[in-house]
Parts: sequence; structure tokens; C-alpha cells
Amino acid sequence: EAGVAQSPRYKIIEKRQSVAFWCNPISGHATLYWYQQILGQGPKLLIQFQNNGVVDDSQLPKDRFSAERLKGVDSTLKIQPAKLEDSAVYLCASSLALGAGNTGELFFGEGSRLTVL
Amino acid sequence: QKEVEQDPGPLSVPEGAIVSLNCTYSNSAFQYFMWYRQYSRKGPELLMYTYSSGNKEDGRFTAQVDKSSKYISLFIRDSQPSDSATYLCAMRVGGTSYGKLTFGQGTILTVHP
Repeated sequence: EAGVAQSPRYKIIEKRQSVAFWCNPISGHATLYWYQQILGQGPKLLIQFQNNGVVDDSQLPKDRFSAERLKGVDSTLKIQPAKLEDSAVYLCASSLALGAGNTGELFFGEGSRLTVL
Repeated sequence: QKEVEQDPGPLSVPEGAIVSLNCTYSNSAFQYFMWYRQYSRKGPELLMYTYSSGNKEDGRFTAQVDKSSKYISLFIRDSQPSDSATYLCAMRVGGTSYGKLTFGQGTILTVHP
């Protein structure tokens, strides 16, 4: 079974520039998450999709971050304009719904590492 | 106060040692408790999963949950150099069919030969 795919793996930009990250979840997983992991910290949820609808975006800085999940499959996370404090690893994860014998386990991609100079 | 606090800080132990990792939390609605392991430059992967209070054992790993104290632990017996990684506790509230996880800040474990 293919895992969660993310690209690019690494990106270096200057502040005020824009960047976009792409995620392809595991086939059949209806729920998709974007987490931000700053060095030395645990992942923090930015946005959660159920199919192509947003379930939770309460911690997404909406003045600069946007995300979409067209057709309920792939997702894109965009940052515009970037700030120095956006330097982090952006993790995409997907899961089945909790219940019916499954734990709702989140499967993570390897992440996209962003450095803002 | 953070919703989930993880203790201890970076940990370095000799091979074969018993390791204890701990988290405390403040949200009494958390019902699902997990430990994720994250190798350097990789995404987290699920290590242990527990629902509500109690113990769960899987090989060298034991997860404990004490909901009355809002405290969870992960024990690693006979630690190996391959266990060197960051360990993240994570929690989810009950009552929904899909789950936002709240993570602790992680403990970096180094097991030296």
C-alpha cells in the first residue's frame, strides 16, 4: 500500500515570497490533515478536511495560509507571504474514519521542510 | 498552560536500559491515547494505541493510561540503538468519527551501544 506522498521535500525561500506544498493521501482515506511542526515541538494541526470539506481550521493563520482539497483527494497548502516564523516541517496525514474495527490512525507523509530566510 | 505537556527533555541511555516517557494533559474529554515514534527527517508513525484507562503491552513497549490523574506513560524495556528517535504522545477526544490529534512536544531519545 502506497503511503502519503508529499512534495517538495525541501524548500528555501525569502520572507514575503510564496510557497505551495502538495499532498496525496492514502487511497480511500476520507480525512486529510495538515500539521505544522516547528523544530523541537510537536506537530500542531493547521487544517483538517473530511472529503473536500473543512472540519477544523481554527489554528490556520488565514491571513497568509490557505489550503484546498479539490475532489476530496489531493490537497495543496499555500503560504503567501511567508514570514521567518513559518520555518517548519509541514506534515500531511490521512486517516479512515474512527470505528468499524479501525482506530482512526493517522498516517503521515515524510513532510515538507520549509526554511524562510 | 499547554493542553498536553510531555516530559522528560532529551534522554540519553545505554543499550539495555528501561526508558520511561510521560505526558500529562488538562482536557478530561481525551479518551484515545497514542504514542508516535518519529525518526529524523521522517513523519511520525503510530507505535501504541490505547482507549481510556489501563495498560497495553506490545513486545518491549508498554503504554499506561491513568485518566484519573490525566497522565500517560510509555515504557521501553531492553532499549536498543534502533529505538533512538523522537517519541510523541498524542490524544483525541471521544464522540466523533474522525479525530484531530493533539500532540505533546516530543522527547528525543538516544540509546547508545
